[in-house]
Amino acid sequence: GAGVSQSPSNKVTEKGKDVELRCDPISGHTALYWYRQRLGQGLEFLIYFQGNSAPDKSGLPSDRFSAERTGESVSTLTIQRTQQEDSAVYLCASSYLPGFSGELFFGEGSRLTVL
Amino acid sequence: GENVEQHPSTLSVQEGDSAVIKCTYSDSASNYFPWYKQELGKGPQLIIDIRSNVGEKKDQRIAVTLNKTAKHFSLHITETQPEDSAVYFCAAGDTGQLTFGSGTQLTVLP
Repeated sequence: GAGVSQSPSNKVTEKGKDVELRCDPISGHTALYWYRQRLGQGLEFLIYFQGNSAPDKSGLPSDRFSAERTGESVSTLTIQRTQQEDSAVYLCASSYLPGFSGELFFGEGSRLTVL
Repeated sequence: GENVEQHPSTLSVQEGDSAVIKCTYSDSASNYFPWYKQELGKGPQLIIDIRSNVGEKKDQRIAVTLNKTAKHFSLHITETQPEDSAVYFCAAGDTGQLTFGSGTQLTVLP
């Protein structure tokens, strides 16, 4: 596609439920990142995938958070047993070059509201 | 890990005036410093970046300066226009991950 695509754009869920967020990166981009953005705040790094290397999970806030990516395609971020503090916009970005030698292209985000 | 502080959190300027946003970082290993602009309801978009071997970079009305000794870098927007109104984020990093500042809400008043 033309850009990074994320779905759903909005998700409202009840506390304790599991949610799955999807990111479709730009074709050919080897690197994929997930960030969390709480209301009025900056971007908090969650996880980074680079090709077939082991992902950098150092930003995941708890074991309720996990993410997968198959090859250089779609990624899913899963939040289990959601809590109200998980409410945020989850942003996905992809990059053609590994590390930070290239521009990050962000999707429009998935806004998660946990009631 | 890296820590990036960004100031001010909000900035209002008159159309045509200049705007300056400043960031400091903590990790001397960081060598890449991008600036992103985020419009309401959109993902951040890169507007300019600078690497540690350069002290200043300019692209039309925007410029970024970097002082590696002092570990700070700044974004300068000249001749501001209403469409410059957005949230601006600085970031710093090396290979691995980018650490973002907390953002500056810039409002350009007509």
